[in-house]
Amino acid sequence: DAKTTQPPSMDCAEGRAANLPCNHSTISGNEYVYWYRQIHSQGPQYIIHGLKNNETNEMASLIITEDRKSSTLILPHATLRDTAVYYCIVRVASGGSNYKLTFGKGTLLTVNP
Amino acid sequence: EPEVTQTPSHQVTQMGQEVILRCVPISNHLYFYWYRQILGQKVEFLVSFYNNEISEKSEIFDDQFSVERPDGSNFTLKIRSTKLEDSAMYFCASSRGGVQETQYFGPGTRLLVL
Repeated sequence: DAKTTQPPSMDCAEGRAANLPCNHSTISGNEYVYWYRQIHSQGPQYIIHGLKNNETNEMASLIITEDRKSSTLILPHATLRDTAVYYCIVRVASGGSNYKLTFGKGTLLTVNP
Repeated sequence: EPEVTQTPSHQVTQMGQEVILRCVPISNHLYFYWYRQILGQKVEFLVSFYNNEISEKSEIFDDQFSVERPDGSNFTLKIRSTKLEDSAMYFCASSRGGVQETQYFGPGTRLLVL
């Protein structure tokens, strides 16, 4: 799986958009970008994933550059409860098999009042 | 919304004792995983399991570890003879599989080996 690079920490004001970047310059054509977050020591929580098109769900938006070498997770209106470590994970996708997730250190997002 | 559940939430054991950590995956999921996170460190993959057999295991998953799906709902991780360094949060995850499989994690079991 391709390696990802994320800033170790970011701050965001409550109510503002949080934009979390991720570099994955060695990503292959069959690799998806997944985002998870971990609030304190809870289990990682799935947020969103994508291959090459931008994606949006009720939690966040995922913007993937045209060359797929980087992506940005957007939390449109951050709240204090969004304070967490956010992980960008690149993972091979091919039907029918288990695929482990390889977690890095992620970005600690702190949402300030 | 269906969730992965894990029991117990906390477990304290003496070094050398056996522990069994239990997980109930989401009901229509077919792929099961264990991960662990030592305090302050990354989440690490331990093992994946499908169709009643191990699909992949990491170097951490040595002969002291075993997994089992004893019935249609539970998925267990057994550590035969615990060591101090086994102290960690253990997370179970499950997925339906497929090209865009998404793993959903349980809340974890905090294991402390004394």
